[in-house]
Amino acid sequence: AQSVTQLGSHVSVSEGALVLLRCNYSSSVPPYLFWYVQYPNQGLQLLLKYTTGATLVKGINGFEAEFKKSETSFHLTKPSAHMSDAAEYFCAVSESGGSNYKLTFGKGTLLTVNP
Amino acid sequence: NAGVTQTPKFRVLKTGQSMTLLCAQDMNHEYMYWYRQDPGMGLRLIHYSVGEGTTAKGEVPDGYNVSRLKKQNFLLGLESAAPSQTSVYFCASSWMGIGSNQPQHFGDGTRLSIL
Repeated sequence: AQSVTQLGSHVSVSEGALVLLRCNYSSSVPPYLFWYVQYPNQGLQLLLKYTTGATLVKGINGFEAEFKKSETSFHLTKPSAHMSDAAEYFCAVSESGGSNYKLTFGKGTLLTVNP
Repeated sequence: NAGVTQTPKFRVLKTGQSMTLLCAQDMNHEYMYWYRQDPGMGLRLIHYSVGEGTTAKGEVPDGYNVSRLKKQNFLLGLESAAPSQTSVYFCASSWMGIGSNQPQHFGDGTRLSIL
């Protein structure tokens, strides 16, 4: 069974500071990994995904994430936070192969950006 | 391009009432999903469908029913609403992919309160 753990339900950074949101996963087969962002009163939007190939994945709005198999991690980073980055971020995993079309989500990390 | 559209956006029900939430997608996606989002719980899968005429149970299916009579529509029903079903409900859809390497596209949510 697959699972996702997001460390820190709330992360606060200053504008211009590094953003680091942590995600660890558990999967019995090679995973597909996703980061989604949710702005207030909206649905989830895809930031980036890892399926195969290059382990450093670049997404929208300057975010990137690195798949580290040995650490079972897929942490999300952005070099310089902007006020518009304030939102809730969800890491999700699905299992490659077979007929499993379901995503398992972490519980989310709320990012606050202080001026 | 509307993407995934959910109706209604807000609803207040009394305990024991029934209602149906409608999800429509215009992307010709095979797969559709219903989630509920509660504070600190992330997104939990209620039911999903891998094609027209098919449905399957997710993580928290009790108290809900679904139907997928047309490829573009996925209906979520509450037969006898309970206060524990107060939540924000999200519909999502995705393209057919090998082992879920395709991202899910989300609607803006339905905020449901059961009194």
